[in-house]
Amino acid sequence: GEDVEQSLFLSVREGDSSVINCTYTDSSSTYLYWYKQEPGAGLQLLTYIFSNMDMKQDQRLTVLLNKKDKHLSLRIADTQTGDSAIYFCAESRKRFGAGTRLTVKP
Amino acid sequence: DVKVTQSSRYLVKRTGEKVFLECVQDMDHENMFWYRQDPGLGLRLIYFSYDVKMKEKGDIPEGYSVSREKKERFSLILESASTNQTSMYLCASSFGPPGEQYFGPGTRLTVT
Repeated sequence: GEDVEQSLFLSVREGDSSVINCTYTDSSSTYLYWYKQEPGAGLQLLTYIFSNMDMKQDQRLTVLLNKKDKHLSLRIADTQTGDSAIYFCAESRKRFGAGTRLTVKP
Repeated sequence: DVKVTQSSRYLVKRTGEKVFLECVQDMDHENMFWYRQDPGLGLRLIYFSYDVKMKEKGDIPEGYSVSREKKERFSLILESASTNQTSMYLCASSFGPPGEQYFGPGTRLTVT
């Protein structure tokens, strides 16, 4: 079946870059999304990328899309303790990964 | 300030009860969604509505139904609650993709 997969945990030091990876299977997805969920809070849409793009940059966030390999990544530059959260990738808003828990150590 | 509200933050129901979860948005969005979130499984789409009285099944519609009689309100109904429906339920709304999608705070439902 169709699936979105991502690793469950990532730990980085404050100031380092974080890279969260995601693979998906539905090549017909028009948009791919990244969401953030902070402890005790609802989800918020961080950014999205159109499927005919291969990169999108938004301040500290860089999304890379390799459509051939169906691989999506989210890079957070200069990671701060406030970036500690669970990050979900999703295809088409209908199918989400299990989430990557990012822990940022001071 | 944009808002998606859900009727309850916490709910405890007994097996076999009929359960109503309500979601209201004040942004005039045409799209509304119900997801459930379980540890290690992420979010799974239960139902999606793209207009009043219109609905589409998500990946896990079994045991659930929905109602959208007004644009701002999307209800999730558990016809006969079961313990495997214990979960966090998230409602969301949006305009057409790829625009911003807003989530409610969630309802943590426990079925005993």
